Amino acid sequence: GESVGLHLPTLSVQEGDNSIINCAYSNSASDYFIWYKQESGKGPQFIIDIRSNMDKRQGQRVTVLLNKTVKHLSLQIAATQPGDSAVYFCAEARTGTASKLTFGTGTRLQVTL
Amino acid sequence: DSGVTQTPKHLITATGQRVTLRCSPRSGDLSVYWYQQSLDQGLQFLIQYYNGEERAKGNILERFSAQQFPDLHSELNLSSLELGDSALYFCASSVGEGNYGYTFGSGTRLTVV
Repeated sequence: GESVGLHLPTLSVQEGDNSIINCAYSNSASDYFIWYKQESGKGPQFIIDIRSNMDKRQGQRVTVLLNKTVKHLSLQIAATQPGDSAVYFCAEARTGTASKLTFGTGTRLQVTL
Repeated sequence: DSGVTQTPKHLITATGQRVTLRCSPRSGDLSVYWYQQSLDQGLQFLIQYYNGEERAKGNILERFSAQQFPDLHSELNLSSLELGDSALYFCASSVGEGNYGYTFGSGTRLTVV
């Protein structure tokens, strides 16, 4: 079946360093991908998205890379801050179908001082 | 505040009971989505409504039902509750049917005892 998975359940990063969170997806028909951040006690918060016709997209301190050949997605956070500590989910969708997102199980990012 | 309002924030109930979770979408959004998040699990899509009509169904149990009212708020009804139904239930909204950059509410934490 279709699935979106994460390589690492927990990632510890020192403050100021760059973080890289990885995600693998299995559905080659997926053409839209989103990264969400979920802080404790809150709902997921949209970070950045990318469509399959792109390889890279940058936001404020975040970059998403898409490698369709190996069905891999990554989120890079520059100069990681304590406020970045959260669980990060990747999600995928096939546009043109019902707008259901399939979420991965999440990676917990811990920022150490 | 994301603009998506969910009530109640916490709910504790006994097995076999029925509860109703409420969601008010962000102003201007016509689509409402319900997701379930179990402990240490990703978000599982339950159901989507668009402008009052059901648009997509995911892994929603027959004991669960939902509806979207003319004022666009939505309710998720959970009946014959089991211990395994304990989870966070999130509502999200978006402008149209095919928008994937949802805005999530803060969730309702349901505990079945």
